[in-house]
Amino acid sequence: KAGVTQTPRYLIKTRGQQVTLSCSPISGHRSVSWYQQTPGQGLQFLFEYFSETQRNKGNFPGRFSGRQFSNSRSEMNVSTLELGDSALYLCASSLSTGSYEQYFGPGTRLTVT
Amino acid sequence: AQKVTQAQTEISVVEKEDVTLDCVYETRDTTYYLFWYKQPPSGELVFLIRRNSFDEQNEISGRYSWNFQKSTSSFNFTITASQVVDSAVYFCALSVPLAPSSNTGKLIFGQGTTLQVKP
Repeated sequence: KAGVTQTPRYLIKTRGQQVTLSCSPISGHRSVSWYQQTPGQGLQFLFEYFSETQRNKGNFPGRFSGRQFSNSRSEMNVSTLELGDSALYLCASSLSTGSYEQYFGPGTRLTVT
Repeated sequence: AQKVTQAQTEISVVEKEDVTLDCVYETRDTTYYLFWYKQPPSGELVFLIRRNSFDEQNEISGRYSWNFQKSTSSFNFTITASQVVDSAVYFCALSVPLAPSSNTGKLIFGQGTTLQVKP
């Protein structure tokens, strides 16, 4: 069974630009969560999607948004990029919403210059 | 508020030594779930274990074992006979319901413990 895939794996953007990251969950998984990992703040929850609906959202500004498609694939978007948005963005999939095991993808390394 | 504390920032051991990674959590919820993940240098978080708050039985999986004690709000992880391949960052995480009968997959992570196993 294929794991969680994230594209692109690496990205370099300039301040003020916007970026879209993509996540394909494990086949059959319907829940997708996104996390930001930085050396200073560690792993922080961004949002969770289930059946195309946002179930929960972390404490991030409105510049961070996401969506989920009918095939459970998810995208997250960051607008007006800031230097502090440089991070590893991790996507996790699970069978359903709730405290099921979450399986993580390899992440997208975003660098904002 | 919920919180996970991993007080050990870095641990260095020699191969074949046993090592215990500490995890202390805070929550007022009676129903919650605890997890351990491993993050090798490749960056991908690898699921190790999930435990619910009603199951205090210790668990062993090969060289890995977990000790869950509600009385001290701890969920410690022990690696027996460590190997170089165990070198990674290990994260403890907590998940609590949004509301009664409303679960969420949100994980609250500790800051992680970097384990270095030297040959």
